[in-house]
Amino acid sequence: GQNIDQPTEMTATEGAIVQINCTYQTSGFNGLFWYQQHAGEAPTFLSYNVLDGLEEKGRFSSFLSRSKGYSYLLLKELQMKDSASYLCAAMDSNYQLIWGAGTKLIIKP
Amino acid sequence: GAVVSQHPSWVICKSGTSVKIECRSLDFQATTMFWYRQFPKQSLMLMATSNEGSKATYEQGVEKDKFLINHASLTLSTLTVTSAHPEDSSFYICSAREPADTGELFFGEGSRLTVL
Repeated sequence: GQNIDQPTEMTATEGAIVQINCTYQTSGFNGLFWYQQHAGEAPTFLSYNVLDGLEEKGRFSSFLSRSKGYSYLLLKELQMKDSASYLCAAMDSNYQLIWGAGTKLIIKP
Repeated sequence: GAVVSQHPSWVICKSGTSVKIECRSLDFQATTMFWYRQFPKQSLMLMATSNEGSKATYEQGVEKDKFLINHASLTLSTLTVTSAHPEDSSFYICSAREPADTGELFFGEGSRLTVL
């Protein structure tokens, strides 16, 4: 079956770095997405990886290893506004997104 | 990025009534739109894939007669929750993908439905 695993909740300190991991199993693979979702709001796009390696975009970076079925989202210089849920989603061979349950990130001063 | 607009943002209705939610792609044509439902503290759950000019494809366990989806144009898809009940109270979100894109989805603002 198809499956996405990511931690339920993580806590980090303002100004620090946090890495949110995601492992996936899908029928075929057409890329890995990370979305940010604040409570009560719709998700917003953060990153898309389809090739192995690290993609850096400002304070956020995303990494993909296709052979390991593994990705992580790295958040640097954490700010209080980064407190949100981070959703990992893998696109299968039918271009359907398989969603993880999300990781709730709590930032403490 | 592209803009997807969803309306209404909030709706409260009585049990047994029907509610229509609209999803519009404002600056691009979307042949495919997706409807999700999200219960509190849970992830997005895909309800159905809406294809312009054809019938929607529903996920397993989603009642097609209860959640009517119409995608009559390349910029508008509607979700109608028929005979709503309190257990239908949820956050409904639509998304659309540009035809010639990497596959990035653009989400609407979401519609919070409360059925009394």
